[in-house]
Amino acid sequence: TQLLEQSPQFLSIQEGENLTVYCNSSSVFSSLQWYRQEPGEGPVLLVTVVTGGEVKKLKRLTFQFGDARKDSSLHITAAQTGDTGLYLCAGGGSGYALNFGKGTSLLVTP
Amino acid sequence: GAVVSQHPSRVICKSGTSVKIECRSLDFQATTMFWYRQFPKQSLMLMATSNEGSKATYEQGVEKDKFLINHASLTLSTLTVTSAHPEDSSFYICSATGLAGGPLFYNEQFFGPGTRLTVL
Repeated sequence: TQLLEQSPQFLSIQEGENLTVYCNSSSVFSSLQWYRQEPGEGPVLLVTVVTGGEVKKLKRLTFQFGDARKDSSLHITAAQTGDTGLYLCAGGGSGYALNFGKGTSLLVTP
Repeated sequence: GAVVSQHPSRVICKSGTSVKIECRSLDFQATTMFWYRQFPKQSLMLMATSNEGSKATYEQGVEKDKFLINHASLTLSTLTVTSAHPEDSSFYICSATGLAGGPLFYNEQFFGPGTRLTVL
């Protein structure tokens, strides 16, 4: 099993602050996905990164895939209360299965 | 595109009864569906992988006779929790992936909204 370590596990910040969430592994992944999950709902796919060194932007969210394709980061600029949720990174496992990190629970307060 | 629905969203049942949860891909053909269980403030725990027309593959520690999975068509998979007990209470989520070339690439999975099961 290819393990994905996410950090931090919990994060509480005020609106307007910036933050970075990390997803690390000792294994190489062909792709990594980032999902956001709100309480009582299923995860929603935010982005897929495929190429080593790739940077993708989704409004205030910036995703980066490490050069060696073993790690990824999610940076949020000027966080808003609507960014509150559980952020999950996931990488390809056997077949079509995904290995999920343990998640980063983000709380953005006004 | 790539929408997955789950039904019911919430279910409360008595101990000993069986509960069926449906997972449907609405706008794509899901050759593979996954069932997850999630405890509060924790990540997703994969229970089983379901391929259309074949038996599901269960993760270690998941009782296949307890959690019956059927993937009868390319758009529908069902999870039946048999003889449910309070310890089966949890949030169950399905996801689906399918044929490349559509909205699905690189092992992407699209998730249903989840089903909250409470066993009294």
